[in-house]
Amino acid sequence: AQKITQTQPGMFVQEKEAVTLDCTYDTSDPSYGLFWYKQPSSGEMIFLIYQGSYDQQNATEGRYSLNFQKARKSANLVISASQLGDSAMYFCALKTGTASKLTFGTGTRLQVTL
Amino acid sequence: DARVTQTPRHKVTEMGQEVTMRCQPILGHNTVFWYRQTMMQGLELLAYFRNRAPLDDSGMPKDRFSAEMPDATLATLKIQPSEPRDSAVYFCASGLGDRGANSPLHFGNGTRLTVT
Repeated sequence: AQKITQTQPGMFVQEKEAVTLDCTYDTSDPSYGLFWYKQPSSGEMIFLIYQGSYDQQNATEGRYSLNFQKARKSANLVISASQLGDSAMYFCALKTGTASKLTFGTGTRLQVTL
Repeated sequence: DARVTQTPRHKVTEMGQEVTMRCQPILGHNTVFWYRQTMMQGLELLAYFRNRAPLDDSGMPKDRFSAEMPDATLATLKIQPSEPRDSAVYFCASGLGDRGANSPLHFGNGTRLTVT
């Protein structure tokens, strides 16, 4: 069975500061991928960044980076230089190599303040 | 810019009525998923298809929900009869299932269903 845990229901960050959103996972499959999605108040689900279990380096995508610690089974999202438009729900999700489906965490609501 | 298209965006219906939600996956994607999002349960997988064949619908209440893919460009989710507890946002997503774990799912904008 696969499991994703996001322990922070809500986070606040000041504009231009960096913020880390936590995500831990559990799977017995050696091949897996971790994904982060953003859901703004308008409701759509926007794919942000991906990290593969065999990737040697942490993924980066513009202001988004993934702090991947395989031994700890964590895949935290780091957003640098926060902007007001970053205020949204953020979901961590896990996909294993043997299944096509994504299993989602409960999400973290990020609020960026002035 | 290719995207998943869902219709309708909003649906309000009375309890007992049939509801049909439609999804056009991204051209070339061979996996299609239906997720339901509620405040209490978060994002739940209802059903998914690969190459139009149903792979897993264990998350779906079988007595009232049905999911089909009549062709590669259309997926449908039906609720009959609908109940107030079905009120939620229903997302369709598509992806390239043959690429294993490294292929993201692309989501539609969802159908917000309200059953009164």
